[in-house]
Amino acid sequence: GAGVSQSPSNKVTEKGKDVELRCDPISGHTALYWYRQSLGQGLEFLIYFQGNSAPDKSGLPSDRFSAERTGGSVSTLTIQRTQQEDSAVYLCASSLDWSSYNEQFFGPGTRLTVL
Amino acid sequence: AQSVTQLGSHVSVSEGALVLLRCNYSSSVPPYLFWYVQYPNQGLQLLLKYTSAATLVKGINGFEAEFKKSETSFHLTKPSAHMSDAAEYFCAVRSNYGGSQGNLIFGKGTKLSVKP
Repeated sequence: GAGVSQSPSNKVTEKGKDVELRCDPISGHTALYWYRQSLGQGLEFLIYFQGNSAPDKSGLPSDRFSAERTGGSVSTLTIQRTQQEDSAVYLCASSLDWSSYNEQFFGPGTRLTVL
Repeated sequence: AQSVTQLGSHVSVSEGALVLLRCNYSSSVPPYLFWYVQYPNQGLQLLLKYTSAATLVKGINGFEAEFKKSETSFHLTKPSAHMSDAAEYFCAVRSNYGGSQGNLIFGKGTKLSVKP
């Protein structure tokens, strides 16, 4: 079956522009996670959804970051007024639900470069 | 707070040699621990997970890890390295706190090189 997909695979943008990153989870997975991978910070958790609800947004690095999920499926991570420090690989993962033992399946990531 | 420490950002072994990647965790509750592998320009793939069923966990590609509570360790091993094992390996613990339950807390990663 299809895995987690993310688009675009690469995004180059200019400082100050807004970007949208998309994640399509595995069908039937109710939990969805966003992580960021950068050289300086390693892998950081950003936000997670159970269904369409995000219980805790405190992992988002600033108020320029927002995320939504509709229909319990596709999720969009939006970064407004991008800064150079936002350059990173943004990874999405999904799992059956948020239970501790359920594997998280990762997408290939979106590489964001802010010039 | 929960955390994971991976000792050694780079490990180099010869083909056929033992692979040992170290991971220590900090958790005030029984942890759920994971090892993931990342090949260049790819996402993360689960190698194995510990969820308290057995302390010795076998994973894919011949890897295994042993949970040692007394040492708060979850080291990853493989008896004989292959060239195809060259990748970055991440140890992770599942968060048990508040609204972020379920997310993974990752170590900094260990890049494994395999010499012919």
